[in-house]
Amino acid sequence: EDQVTQSPEALRLQEGESSSLNCSYTVSGLRGLFWYRQDPGKGPEFLFTLYSAGEEKEKERLKATLTKKESFLHITAPKPEDSATYLCAVRHLASGGSYIPTFGRGTSLIVHP
Amino acid sequence: GAVVSQHPSRVICKSGTSVKIECRSLDFQATTMFWYRQFPKQSLMLMATSNEGSKATYEQGVEKDKFLINHASLTLSTLTVTSAHPEDSSFYICSASVAGGQETQYFGPGTRLLVL
Repeated sequence: EDQVTQSPEALRLQEGESSSLNCSYTVSGLRGLFWYRQDPGKGPEFLFTLYSAGEEKEKERLKATLTKKESFLHITAPKPEDSATYLCAVRHLASGGSYIPTFGRGTSLIVHP
Repeated sequence: GAVVSQHPSRVICKSGTSVKIECRSLDFQATTMFWYRQFPKQSLMLMATSNEGSKATYEQGVEKDKFLINHASLTLSTLTVTSAHPEDSSFYICSASVAGGQETQYFGPGTRLLVL
């Protein structure tokens, strides 16, 4: 069964305390791993797309990396405004022969000042 | 960046009525649009994939006759919840993929549906 698992489920950090969020996946025919940020009551906001193992992308305090089994979202010196739910999604080949996205449950991040 | 809008942002309706939600890609053409449902503190559940000019592909367990999807143009897809019931109350989110792009999905702001 295709699965996307994110950990931890929730994370509390002090401002400036760096950490990493994990997204592990077991899917067939990976065709992209995506990271999104979602604020309460809003749609997800696109952050990164990764396609191959070893690939890295950076944006401000965020850095995403990808291996064959998992992806990490590193947050360096987070600020309170980084508080949000971070979603990981994998686009993969489904049983019907089409590519579909599967989302993890997300990691709820709270950064305390 | 690519912008996707949804309308309405919030709707309250009586049980048994139908509700239509619009999803538009504002500054790009989207050959594929996706419809999701999200319950509180849960992840996004893919309901269906919609390609312009063809019938939508529904995920297992999603009723085609209850959730009608139309993708009439490269910038507009609609989701109609027919004969809505309280259990249909949820947050509905659409996303669109850029035609010829790298399959990144850009999400709308979501529609909060409350069925009384």
